[in-house]
Amino acid sequence: NAGVMQNPRHLVRRRGQEARLRCSPMKGHSHVYWYRQLPEEGLKFMVYLQKENIIDESGMPKERFSAEFPKEGPSILRIQQVVRGDSAAYFCASHRLGDSGNTIYFGEGSWLTVV
Amino acid sequence: ILNVEQSPQSLHVQEGDSTNFTCSFPSSNFYALHWYRWETAKSPEALFVMTLNGDEKKKGRISATLNTKEGYSYLYIKGSQPEDSATYLCALKWGGSQGNLIFGKGTKLSVKP
Repeated sequence: NAGVMQNPRHLVRRRGQEARLRCSPMKGHSHVYWYRQLPEEGLKFMVYLQKENIIDESGMPKERFSAEFPKEGPSILRIQQVVRGDSAAYFCASHRLGDSGNTIYFGEGSWLTVV
Repeated sequence: ILNVEQSPQSLHVQEGDSTNFTCSFPSSNFYALHWYRWETAKSPEALFVMTLNGDEKKKGRISATLNTKEGYSYLYIKGSQPEDSATYLCALKWGGSQGNLIFGKGTKLSVKP
């Protein structure tokens, strides 16, 4: 059973371009979180999704950032018109919906560099 | 604003020392408390999920306790080894099964041989 898969692992974009980060949850997992790790900081919550629904997007910047988790395929975090401040590691995590003891599993992250 | 606090921020110990860290969180709307071990350039590795007040969990030399009424959890490492060096994160899941998962900033542990 493959773990949480993120791609690309490393992405370089010029200012103004778009970045798309993908997250394939573990098999059987219906929910995905996205987090951003800025240099010297911890994991900052961005968005929490289930298939075809955004549960909580309170951590998403109001502009340029969007996320989706379609019925089929991976969850995608999209950053339009990237700026240097978007350079960070982006992590996704997935879990099965069920009892409170469910483990939440993380991917290995996608490192975005904006030049 | 929901705050999950971890202390200390960093810790340097000698091989063989036992150590512990604290995670503090608001006790209202508690659903679960997660502990992770995070090495640089890797994904956070799940250690424990704790849900009930008084829970104690153990995995090898690492154990954790939970007090939901006063809003804290302790992580203990017995006989630290250099390979234990990592950042230990706690995260609060609150508000139910579809609630948010909020992380503390972590405790960075360095174990010297």
